[in-house]
This record gives sequence, C-alpha cells and structure tokens, in this order.
Amino acid sequence: EVQLVESGGGLVKPGGSLRLSCAASGFNFNIYSMNWVRQAPGKGLEWVSCITSSGSYIYYADSVKGRFTMSRDNAKNSLSLQMNSLRAEDTAVYYCAGGWGDLPMWGQGTLVTVSS
Amino acid sequence: DIVMTQPPLSSPVTLGQPASISCRSSQSLVHSDGNTYLSWLQQRPGQPPRLLIYKISNRFSGVPDRFSGSGAGTDFTLEISRVEAEDVGVYYCMQATQFPRTFGQGTKVEIK
Repeated sequence: EVQLVESGGGLVKPGGSLRLSCAASGFNFNIYSMNWVRQAPGKGLEWVSCITSSGSYIYYADSVKGRFTMSRDNAKNSLSLQMNSLRAEDTAVYYCAGGWGDLPMWGQGTLVTVSS
Repeated sequence: DIVMTQPPLSSPVTLGQPASISCRSSQSLVHSDGNTYLSWLQQRPGQPPRLLIYKISNRFSGVPDRFSGSGAGTDFTLEISRVEAEDVGVYYCMQATQFPRTFGQGTKVEIK
C-alpha cells in the first residue's frame, strides 16, 4: 500500500523556521518526482515545490523561493522541506504528493501555523 | 504563470443526476512532448486530495467509471454521469504542463 506520512508541523512565530518531513513507503520512491502542496485554512490548493527523482532539479513557487528548501534522501525514502523566514500567509496544511505530470499519491498533511 | 479558472460552485445536483464542472486555462496546456497535462482531483470534506483524471481523460486506478474528463487546448470538463452521495466535495483542475504547477480555485459539488 502506498503511504506518504508527513510530520514536523506545528506553531511557529513569524520569522521562525520549521522543517517538514515526509516518509514514503509502498512504492519505488527512487523513480518518482515529489512535491509539496499546501492549503491555507478554508482555501484552495497551492503548489509549493517539486524535486525530480534524483534530486537534480528543484522547482519552487515564487511565494516561497529563497525561503524554503526542498530535499530528498532516496536511501531513506524521505522528503524534507526546510522553511525559513516564515510568514503568517504560510499558515496551511502541507501535503507531500508524488508525481510529475499528475499527482497520484498524497499524504494526509501536516498543519503549519505561523502566529505570534 | 498559467491561470486555471473554475466556477466556485456548481448547481446543487440531485442524486443520480449528472454533473459537469468546467475548467479553463489562460494558455494552451499542450506540452512540447505532445501531451496535455491537465488533471482533476477530488477533495472530500476533511480528506486530502485524490487524483481522479490525468492527461485530460484518463481515469486513475480505482476511480469509478461515472467520472470522465474531456477537452483540449484551454477548455476542459469533468463530468459525473450519476452523482452519488460520496461525490460531495471540492473538485480541482490542475495543470502540470509547466512550472509553477497551478490549480483552479476549486468547484464545490453539493447534493440538492
């Protein structure tokens, strides 16, 4: 069974940092591009970043470029999102999602709240 | 960036009746490889999104055949042939032809 399990969310003050993780199992993680997608409370979906299967290429939304860093460890079937200089507008559920041209695999999400 | 436009709300649907959701992109979604990377996702209340349709009209594994997708270029449609209670939720179109990936605002499907 395909599983993506996010962790690391929580409450952080504006300007603070947080590191999200995603543990993958049940599929060949090494061959899939992976993404982070977020959803602010009561709002729609916003794509955040994508990393290719080897980690050679990483893409970011303009809203997070320069503040967030995505990485992966294929030996550990894991994905990370380092979030720095957090703002109130970064408050959202962050989903780990697998795929390139479409997103067939999704985790349950982890909530990040940025508030003083 | 490619802007994806969906109506926010569909007309309430009677159980067993069809429903249709439209999605329009601000530019053609035809990729240089010849594919059109337009997909549809369903998000039930309190759940993560789930892939229904990929590359305009391909049903993902396990998706009931009452869901179908169509369209080309910049105009796309998701159809539910006979709405069931479990279809209540928000439906998003998403383009993956270019970065940044972008989603429509989502269309809420409600039962009358």
